[in-house]
Amino acid sequence: DGGITQSPKYLFRKEGQNVTLSCEQNLNHDAMYWYRQDPGQGLRLIYYSQIVNDFQKGDIAEGYSVSREKKESFPLTVTSAQKNPTAFYLCASSPHRGSYNEQFFGPGTRLTVL
Amino acid sequence: DAKTTQPNSMESNEEEPVHLPCNHSTISGTDYIHWYRQLPSQGPEYVIHGLTSNVNNRMASLAIAEDRKSSTLILHRATLRDAAVYYCILDNYGQNFVFGPGTRLSVLP
Repeated sequence: DGGITQSPKYLFRKEGQNVTLSCEQNLNHDAMYWYRQDPGQGLRLIYYSQIVNDFQKGDIAEGYSVSREKKESFPLTVTSAQKNPTAFYLCASSPHRGSYNEQFFGPGTRLTVL
Repeated sequence: DAKTTQPNSMESNEEEPVHLPCNHSTISGTDYIHWYRQLPSQGPEYVIHGLTSNVNNRMASLAIAEDRKSSTLILHRATLRDAAVYYCILDNYGQNFVFGPGTRLSVLP
C-alpha cells in the first residue's frame, strides 16, 4: 500500500536534547511538508521541500532543521533552540507543490518534552 | 495569506445533511478552495476542492458562491464517522496552505 509513515507515534525527550522525527513516503511525490499542531489549533507549516536537496522555511522554522537527501524521506530535527517543542507533528506529501494537488498526511508524531 | 472564517463548532444528527460554511471575502481570482478534515489524533485527510463551479465527489459536495466570497461543504448524510474538525483552506499556486482552527463537527446518534 502506498502512503506516508511517521515514526515513532509517541516520543518523549528531556529538555535540551535534539530529536529527529522520521517521515517516509512511497507515493513518488516530489513535494513534502512538515506541520506542527498545538492543542485546539490548526496546523502551522514548519518546512517544505519541492525536490530532493532543496527545502524552504515555512511560517515557524526557528528551532527546527530538515534534510531531503532522498525523494522518499524528509526527516525533521527539533533542536534545543525550539523554545516550546511539545506538540503534534505532521508530515505530508503532494505530487508537486501547487493548487491542484491534494496533500497526503501521515499519522503524526506526538512529541513531549519533559 | 488569504484568510478564511469558519464557525468553531456545529452539531448534526446522524443521517441528516450537514452544511459547513466558510467565508473567504479576500479570496483572489486564482485561489482554489480546499476542504480537509481531521479525526482525533490523526493527520488531516483531503475532502474536496474547487475553483468556481460546484464540485461533487464520493465524500461530499462543495457549493461555491457566485462571487466566490463564501463556500459550503455539504455532507449529504452524516454518519458518526464524519465527526471531525473540518478545515476550509485557500490555496494560491506556490503559496502555503494556512490551516485555521476549523469547525468541529459533532454527529449525534
